[in-house]
Amino acid sequence: QKEVEQNSGPLSVPEGAIASLNCTYSDRGSQSFFWYRQYSGKSPELIMFIYSNGDKEDGRFTAQLNKASQYVSLLIRDSQPSDSATYLCAVGSGGGADGLTFGKGTHLIIQP
Amino acid sequence: DTAVSQTPKYLVTQMGNDKSIKCEQNLGHDTMYWYKQDSKKFLKIMFSYNNKELIINETVPNRFSPKSPDKAHLNLHINSLELGDSAVYFCASSQVATETQYFGPGTRLLVL
Repeated sequence: QKEVEQNSGPLSVPEGAIASLNCTYSDRGSQSFFWYRQYSGKSPELIMFIYSNGDKEDGRFTAQLNKASQYVSLLIRDSQPSDSATYLCAVGSGGGADGLTFGKGTHLIIQP
Repeated sequence: DTAVSQTPKYLVTQMGNDKSIKCEQNLGHDTMYWYKQDSKKFLKIMFSYNNKELIINETVPNRFSPKSPDKAHLNLHINSLELGDSAVYFCASSQVATETQYFGPGTRLLVL
């Protein structure tokens, strides 16, 4: 059974600071890793994906992957109140139609 | 233009009834999925279809029957609805090679 673990939070971060969200996964064969943002009452929205070890940056967001430790993280720089949401970590097999395995999400609150 | 659309957005019905949810994507993707998000916000794969062929059928009661008339459409029919079926059902689509999934707005099902 594939599992993805996230701290449910809430994680409270002051505006302008760096928010750090973490995720671990159980299946060593996982090849693709995703971060989704979900506002209350809305659908998950893709923020970033990462396939290789190391860092991947996109604007204020940086995804970090360490396959040896089975660990994925998302950094949000210069946090804004609009970043307040639940962040879902998802893991896939790297291709195919198996669907993604999601964590339960971390509730992030950016305090103005 | 809406990339992944679902109808209806809300569905309130009595136990024992049969209902359907429809999903359409205009992204040209070849794979479509149904996910269920329960009251604790846990998002779990139910079914996946690739080029109209059923690929994944997780441990879902056989009261749930998906149908894909073509690559752009995936419907979900639920027979004999039960209280525990109350949840948000999300449709998603992707290209099988990338797994990057895009979600529809969700259908909020409430069984009374």
